[in-house]
Amino acid sequence: QKEVEQDPGPLSVPEGAIVSLNCTYSNSAFQYFMWYRQYSRKGPELLMYTYSSGNKEDGRFTAQVDKSSKYISLFIRDSQPSDSATYLCAMTYNQGGKLIFGQGTELSVKP
Amino acid sequence: EAGVAQSPRYKIIEKRQSVAFWCNPISGHATLYWYQQILGQGPKLLIQFQNNGVVDDSQLPKDRFSAERLKGVDSTLKIQPAKLEDSAVYLCASSLDRANYNEQFFGPGTRLTVL
Repeated sequence: QKEVEQDPGPLSVPEGAIVSLNCTYSNSAFQYFMWYRQYSRKGPELLMYTYSSGNKEDGRFTAQVDKSSKYISLFIRDSQPSDSATYLCAMTYNQGGKLIFGQGTELSVKP
Repeated sequence: EAGVAQSPRYKIIEKRQSVAFWCNPISGHATLYWYQQILGQGPKLLIQFQNNGVVDDSQLPKDRFSAERLKGVDSTLKIQPAKLEDSAVYLCASSLDRANYNEQFFGPGTRLTVL
């Protein structure tokens, strides 16, 4: 069993839709959670970072962490074609620790 | 601010050949990471440097992979000899320090194809 599971998609939505991206994990020791966006043939770029359980909002993006369910989510409101990319969740046990990535979900937002 | 630079961007080699990748991190970043990203998978950490010292190389296949970061700035990753399963994108990332692990800046990667 992989430590971090992520639905690979692809996920296709119309412009303006609300998108929900999810990851589940097996190790309750994970405390720090991140979402990265990766455009085709580019390196990942950090979108959101959260510590422990709770919500964090940044513009059209909201990250949620539910440690009791070992489940994290990224919501994108009013999705745009420019949001079309692969979204990777990542997590670690402690500050400075190794990041464990999910396999990524490919998102396509159609105009 | 210049980003993380990597070269070459693409490389095609035959199995059993050798290959080397180069990374120049963001100026002033003490921590440097090399990741392997196989198609359809997330990045997997191969090695992490703090200045010119190795912090974590637990997932580096040391029988064929080697990496160095002389003078704590540029880094090279070498594969010798390459296998078919080494076909992947090799990403370099850097952060200001280990405490800034959550703010890693990635380069564009080197796409390796082993035939």
